[in-house]
Amino acid sequence: NAGVTQTPKFRVLKTGQSMTLLCAQDMNHEYMYWYRQDPGMGLRLIHYSVGEGTTAKGEVPDGYNVSRLKKQNFLLGLESAAPSQTSVYFCASSPRAYSNQPQHFGDGTRLSIL
Amino acid sequence: AQSVAQPEDQVNVAEGNPLTVKCTYSVSGNPYLFWYVQYPNRGLQFLLKYITGDNLVKGSYGFEAEFNKSQTSFHLKKPSALVSDSALYFCAVRDFDSGTYKYIFGTGTRLKVLA
Repeated sequence: NAGVTQTPKFRVLKTGQSMTLLCAQDMNHEYMYWYRQDPGMGLRLIHYSVGEGTTAKGEVPDGYNVSRLKKQNFLLGLESAAPSQTSVYFCASSPRAYSNQPQHFGDGTRLSIL
Repeated sequence: AQSVAQPEDQVNVAEGNPLTVKCTYSVSGNPYLFWYVQYPNRGLQFLLKYITGDNLVKGSYGFEAEFNKSQTSFHLKKPSALVSDSALYFCAVRDFDSGTYKYIFGTGTRLKVLA
């Protein structure tokens, strides 16, 4: 019963490098979300998806891209990493039909940009 | 726009004492409110939610929350704190915008339970 799985768990990048964070959920959830968590700022929504093949911008989308080619996977890409993107990234999913259901979170990816 | 506020960055409480973690909200319409807990190096875990009905909501690990419409508050409570309750707590409100469900989180409150 895996729930939401994020890979990798840790990563160190140099400024200008690119990488992709993977989120996979096995609960057949329609909605998936990417957040970043920074001290004193709570969770801020980067991008989200309401279904396979659809994505939309959240609160802080600049510098990130996403794709949802399969319902169970939601990828977050950094094309040219910047030190300001050093953060902990969380993926979450939730059902669509039952709108009062909580989100399920992965354990996060800790990303450092040097 | 919907929002939640957690006015305390940190709450300290002695083990065995009651604890309260505060949350206030600002919403249009009926609020859908949630509490999550985050342990070190882990993702957020759902504790409880208020959708409608009784103002006192019971959740996991002995936690409960009191919904107060007149004060627009949704404070998290526990009658007797445990050292293992030490963690980061987030209040959240569900927002329905442009046909999509999104969740707005507070900035978090760190709870420290002292032995």
